[in-house]
Order: sequence, then structure tokens, then C-alpha cells
Amino acid sequence: GAGVSQSPSNKVTEKGKDVELRCDPISGHTALYWYRQSLGQGLEFLIYFQGNSAPDKSGLPSDRFSAERTGGSVSTLTIQRTQQEDSAVYLCASSPDRGGYGYTFGSGTRLTVV
Amino acid sequence: AQSVTQLGSHVSVSEGALVLLRCNYSSSVPPYLFWYVQYPNQGLQLLLKYTSAATLVKGINGFEAEFKKSETSFHLTKPSAHMSDAAEYFCAVTFYSGNTPLVFGKGTRLSVIA
Repeated sequence: GAGVSQSPSNKVTEKGKDVELRCDPISGHTALYWYRQSLGQGLEFLIYFQGNSAPDKSGLPSDRFSAERTGGSVSTLTIQRTQQEDSAVYLCASSPDRGGYGYTFGSGTRLTVV
Repeated sequence: AQSVTQLGSHVSVSEGALVLLRCNYSSSVPPYLFWYVQYPNQGLQLLLKYTSAATLVKGINGFEAEFKKSETSFHLTKPSAHMSDAAEYFCAVTFYSGNTPLVFGKGTRLSVIA
């Protein structure tokens, strides 16, 4: 597509439930990134996919967080047993290669855990 | 390890005044540097980038930034602020030869007063 698409745009879930966040990157972009933006904070790196290489999971805050990227395109970020501190905006970005080109960001998914 | 420091979480300027948003970086290898802007309830949009070419970089909406290696700085400027410039601005760093995702500063919120 023309841009990076994320769904849903807003998600309210009960504490303890699992959630899935979807990212559809720009066609042909080999790199895909997930970041988390909490109120008053900068962007916290979560995970990075580059082509067929093993993903860089170094930013995932706990084993409740996981992500996959199917067919080198769509990615799903899964948060299991959600906690209130997981409430944030989850941003996805893609780029043609490594970061030298700059990223194109989606509009994000606002997750609220109640 | 790379890092970015944005001085001032909130900057307020009058319409028509100079905009100066400060960014200092730390990198053990030559950096690639970026400025992004985020309008309310939207994703991040690339303003400009430095990737080892000209040290004075011009971006969209009249913004520019100058890479100063001796000062490890990449400050963002605009000669005359417009009301539509009110937004959150993020500085970010990476380097091309590695697989390190962009590292973002905590952001500076720019307010423009009529």
C-alpha cells in the first residue's frame, strides 16, 4: 500500500487478556520495526525484522511480548496477559533496507488496559 | 552504544520567531541522524536526515538542521515559526553499517503562541 497501515487504531482490553496488534508495511520494504510510546516518554524500541534474518528481539520488555512477520510482509505483535503498564501507543515502521533511508511510520495502535 | 539527548521537553515560541530545537548525540561510529515530527494522534513523519553528505540538511516545511561533529550536535531550526508547527519533535540516531534500529530522544513539544 501507499503507507504503513496499523490495526486496530484503538484497543481497550481487560487486564489479563491477550491482544494482537497488526502492521501492514509498505510493499517492498524489507525492514519492519515495532516501537512503544508511553505518555511523556520517547519511543522505546521493541523488535526489528530485516528480510529473512532472525529478528532482533532485544527490546521486548518481557516474555509476554512476541511478534512475528509472515511472508516478509504483515507483522503481528502479541501481548499476553496484559498489564496496566502495557498501556501505550504501539507504533510500527518500515524501511527499504536498514535505517539509513529513514523509516515510514504507521499511525499507531493506542492500547488501553483497564 | 548510541544515544540521543534532546534539551528541553517543551519549547514555546511566538509566531514568526526563530525555532531552535536542540539535539546532541553519542555514537562510537559515524552516525546517521534524523528529525521526525509527530502531530496529535498521528504517527511520526520524517522531517529531514543526515547521512554523511552535506552537513547542512534542508527538510520539509522550511526546517533545516546542521550536523556539527565537533559539538556532537544536530540542532533543528526554522527561521519563522508558524502556528501549524506546533507538534512533538523527535531526534534519532543510527548508523548504516550496522543493524541497530533508530534510537530516539524523548522528544520536544513545540508550542507556537499567536
